[in-house]
Amino acid sequence: KQEVTQIPAALSVPEGENLVLNCSFTDSAIYNLQWFRQDPGKGLTSLLLIQSSQREQTSGRLNASLDKSSGRSTLYIAASQPGDSATYLCAVFTGGFKTIFGAGTRLFVKA
Amino acid sequence: SAVISQKPSRDICQRGTSLTIQCQVDSQVTMMFWYRQQPGQSLTLIATANQGSEATYESGFVIDKFPISRPNLTFSTLTVSNMSPEDSSIYLCSVVGTGENTGELFFGEGSRLTVL
Repeated sequence: KQEVTQIPAALSVPEGENLVLNCSFTDSAIYNLQWFRQDPGKGLTSLLLIQSSQREQTSGRLNASLDKSSGRSTLYIAASQPGDSATYLCAVFTGGFKTIFGAGTRLFVKA
Repeated sequence: SAVISQKPSRDICQRGTSLTIQCQVDSQVTMMFWYRQQPGQSLTLIATANQGSEATYESGFVIDKFPISRPNLTFSTLTVSNMSPEDSSIYLCSVVGTGENTGELFFGEGSRLTVL
């Protein structure tokens, strides 16, 4: 059974710091991995999608990597800003149209 | 990318009542997904809504409690029936992208329900 774990559960950093969020999954047989952002009480906004054949994806200050063999993905946020404060979720898409979500990392960027 | 609209965005409901959540997508999609996110928790899939057939429910969710309609390829509803305080959650509609967004999940803004 696929399980997705995100570490740390919460993170507080000063503005301007570069940071890394971690996601691990137990079964390497995935089709893709997706990172989302969720603001309190709101829906999910897709940040980056990495297909199983890819190693990384970049969008602006965000870079996500994928190492399928070790069951790991990282989301790198450069030069963090207070507006980056949110919960970040990773999700893996497995066979049978199942998407398994991690519990998320709550990020707070202090001005 | 797909644009998904959900209504209502939030509501406060009385115990024992039912509420229907609507989800509208700006393009035709084969499958629509309904998720529940309980306070402080991650997302749990309730069911997959297929056009022209019965929804497929995940373990722990039943049609009597969460009836789903899918009248066409751009619209679906989820009803939360006979609500109790334990049903207080954010309910989210989702679709899988196609074309250049193949495999990418898109979500609506969510419907935040509080049951008193």
